[in-house]
Amino acid sequence: GAVVSQHPSRVICKSGTSVKIECRSLDFQATTMFWYRQFPKQSLMLMATSNEGSKATYEQGVEKDKFLINHASLTLSTLTVTSAHPEDSSFYICSARPARATYNEQFFGPGTRLTVL
Amino acid sequence: QKEVEQDPGPLSVPEGAIVSLNCTYSNSAFQYFMWYRQYSRKGPELLMYTYSSGNKEDGRFTAQVDKSSKYISLFIRDSQPSDSATYLCAMSATGNQFYFGTGTSLTVIP
Repeated sequence: GAVVSQHPSRVICKSGTSVKIECRSLDFQATTMFWYRQFPKQSLMLMATSNEGSKATYEQGVEKDKFLINHASLTLSTLTVTSAHPEDSSFYICSARPARATYNEQFFGPGTRLTVL
Repeated sequence: QKEVEQDPGPLSVPEGAIVSLNCTYSNSAFQYFMWYRQYSRKGPELLMYTYSSGNKEDGRFTAQVDKSSKYISLFIRDSQPSDSATYLCAMSATGNQFYFGTGTSLTVIP
């Protein structure tokens, strides 16, 4: 149980285009989903926290107009990188917290590698 | 100062060795402590979770938390080549925002 999927697993796009990444909890409902970014040999950095049906909370330094997050249902959250630039190239990972978490665990997706040319 | 410090390694050990992985932290409010394993180009997988201080054992893995020293450890006994991965520590004060270490790259040589 507690499987989280992400789509696509890898995307290459041209500078200036927008890219949408989907995060789904497959066998549980997630009231909260988190979006992280991981650069090579660096730690996971939390970008934003999204709760179903409400606006996402962004971490300091993360542009909310550039990284649009939609948590439309209890099993789906999307991250759209708008007008992507080469510096946005990174590994984006989502995680989901079950609605009935025994503790504040998060289950991670497999990640999406974004390369902006 | 970073919230969480973790030696990135790399760490290379022979099969069957005992592996010790460590993290230090600065925020005394942290009370949730996790260890994740991350294979290359994959998302992190939860290995161990500990609340507050103490030890926790699960098979070949033992997690220790010393809040007085702000120091946590993960021990892997009888290490296997399949244990080769990056190990991330993570901590949280409230259980909402997780702070991750940079990860330690481990290679277990057959």
